[in-house]
Amino acid sequence: GAVVSQHPSWVICKSGTSVKIECRSLDFQATTMFWYRQFPKQSLMLMATSNEGSKATYEQGVEKDKFLINHASLTLSTLTVTSAHPEDSSFYICSARNPGLAGGLSDTQYFGPGTRLTVL
Amino acid sequence: RKEVEQDPGPFNVPEGATVAFNCTYSNSASQSFFWYRQDCRKEPKLLMSVYSSGNEDGRFTAQLNRASQYISLLIRDSKLSDSATYLCVVGYTGRRALTFGSGTRLQVQP
Repeated sequence: GAVVSQHPSWVICKSGTSVKIECRSLDFQATTMFWYRQFPKQSLMLMATSNEGSKATYEQGVEKDKFLINHASLTLSTLTVTSAHPEDSSFYICSARNPGLAGGLSDTQYFGPGTRLTVL
Repeated sequence: RKEVEQDPGPFNVPEGATVAFNCTYSNSASQSFFWYRQDCRKEPKLLMSVYSSGNEDGRFTAQLNRASQYISLLIRDSKLSDSATYLCVVGYTGRRALTFGSGTRLQVQP
C-alpha cells in the first residue's frame, strides 16, 4: 500500500514556541493531503485540507493563522502550530489520497504515523 | 447530532467469540464507507471498504444498509490481536475528506 511519513513522531515544546510537522507521501504524488487532530479518547477531527499549489481549506473553528499549512510540492505538506499552548497538545495525523489508485470524490486515504505534540 | 455515531464500548469478549459493531450516519448523501482500525497511540489503518452488496475479508464481514443509514462490522473467531478501536468512516459527495466516528473499543480476552 501507499506510504505516508510524518516527522517528527513526537515533540515536546515550551508554551509560546512554534512547531512544524512534515507530512510526506513516499511513493505517490498527492495533490490533496488532510490534517487531523485527535484528543485522547476522541475521534479524529479534520482540521484542514491541504491543496498543492493553493491555499488550504480550514474547517470551521480552526484558526488558519495559528495552524499554518503549506503544500509546496506534490509529496510534502507541512503544518506549523504557531505560538503553541498546552491546549494544543494533541495527536496530529496527516493523510493523503492517492488518486492513482481509484477515482471518485472520496477514496481510500493513507495515514501518516502521527505526531504527538506536548506543550508544557 | 454527530455525523457518524458509534457505541464507544468497550466490548470485552473471549477469544473465539463473534462480535458485531454498528454505526449510523446522518448524511444521506454519503458515498463511501470504510472501517478503520486504530491501535493505542497509533494512526488509523484501513481494515476494509464497505460496499452496498456487503463484503467479506477473512473473519471480517461488513454490511451497508443505505435505507437505514447504518453500517456494520462482524468479526468472527476473535483473536487477541483484534483488540483495538474500530472506526466507522464515511465519505461525502463533494467533500474529499473523511468523517470519522469516535470509535468502538474491542478488548479480546484470553
